[in-house]
Amino acid sequence: NAGVTQTPKFRILKIGQSMTLQCAQDMNHNYMYWYRQDPGMGLKLIYYSVGAGITDKGEVPNGYNVSRSTTEDFPLRLELAAPSQTSVYFCASKGGALLMSYNEQFFGPGTRLTVL
Amino acid sequence: AQTVTQSQPEMSVQEAETVTLSCTYDTSENNYYLFWYKQPPSRQMILVIRQEAYKQQNATENRFSVNFQKAAKSFSLKISDSQLGDTAMYFCAFMKHGLTNFGNEKLTFGTGTRLTIIP
Repeated sequence: NAGVTQTPKFRILKIGQSMTLQCAQDMNHNYMYWYRQDPGMGLKLIYYSVGAGITDKGEVPNGYNVSRSTTEDFPLRLELAAPSQTSVYFCASKGGALLMSYNEQFFGPGTRLTVL
Repeated sequence: AQTVTQSQPEMSVQEAETVTLSCTYDTSENNYYLFWYKQPPSRQMILVIRQEAYKQQNATENRFSVNFQKAAKSFSLKISDSQLGDTAMYFCAFMKHGLTNFGNEKLTFGTGTRLTIIP
């Protein structure tokens, strides 16, 4: 199993550009999450999904959009990038209650995004 | 809303010594999980240890153990026989219990403690 994968690893955007951060998991997990980590800070939840077709806002959703058309994929869309979106973005997934590790979130390696 | 507080931004300790990282949290929930995550310079988030709130026994994982004080809402991490590979950011995190809060299995993180192990 590859676990949770994210692409790209690094990206530099200009103000006003758009991009999609990709996230995929091969563990058949129902729950998926997007977090951002600003320098010297903990992770903050942007959006999450409890299953294909179901998404909801987290703590800091402004400026982002998500979709969940399949169990495996959970892309994060940045529209009109701003310097305030410079951060490291982490995707995570978690199994349902029937799995032994259902309370553990598995994280991808992160995407470092810089908006100039 | 839940909050997680880590009051020690940075700590350092000599190799082989024991170190304790502090974490306090605020919640009105009775069923929840607490976690310690390690983030080395590689940036990967690694689960170190977890504690279920309904369990009175403190969790242990090899050199890592916790002191869970539910009434005080305190969840400290003790690292024994510290090693150079323990150098990392450590994050304390809170999650509501999924079976009673469907759709709310989200992690709330503290701001982290940067731990340096000195050779």
